[in-house]
Amino acid sequence: SQQGEEDPQALSIQEGENATMNCSYKTSINNLQWYRQNSGRGLVHLILIRSNEREKHSGRLRVTLDTSKKSSSLLITASRAADTASYFCATDANFNKFYFGSGTKLNVKP
Amino acid sequence: DAGVTQSPTHLIKTRGQQVTLRCSPKSGHDTVSWYQQALGQGPQFIFQYYEEEERQRGNFPDRFSGHQFPNYSSELNVNALLLGDSALYLCASSPRTSGRGTGELFFGEGSRLTVL
Repeated sequence: SQQGEEDPQALSIQEGENATMNCSYKTSINNLQWYRQNSGRGLVHLILIRSNEREKHSGRLRVTLDTSKKSSSLLITASRAADTASYFCATDANFNKFYFGSGTKLNVKP
Repeated sequence: DAGVTQSPTHLIKTRGQQVTLRCSPKSGHDTVSWYQQALGQGPQFIFQYYEEEERQRGNFPDRFSGHQFPNYSSELNVNALLLGDSALYLCASSPRTSGRGTGELFFGEGSRLTVL
């Protein structure tokens, strides 16, 4: 299976701290994306990084990709209570067919 | 600009029944994918429709079928429901692109199915 797996499964931090979550996958990919899901609702796209990129930034988000290790990390800086959600990585090796991991549940305490 | 809309939001069925879920993609999108998300798990790819045909399929039995209409909207049908089909069913749309990979998926809020 190409499915990505996030680590840790759960993360609890204080507001203002940074949150780092990791994703590992098994086969070659075209791109890797991170999504956020609030309490069982729809997923919202956060950031996409292509296989030929190593790092990407978007606001308080920083994503890295290491294709040699088949891993990615998502860093959320200066976290807020509103960042409390589940975060999923999704890999795409086949056109529009994405594989999602089981997610990291982030709790940011005010 | 309306995003992806799904209906119904919640429904309860009994084992053996059939269910139809509906999805309207985001304006300008012609590709629709369906995902099943069990409680505490990540979304699992069911299938994808483009040009009114099923283009790709995940590891789901034939009880799961779909359809795409000329206006790009889509339906997911599940026959002979099992207790294990209880899940959040998510529809995602995207524009068809060529080349390596694709861009982001736009998700609806999902249809929560409970099978008793």
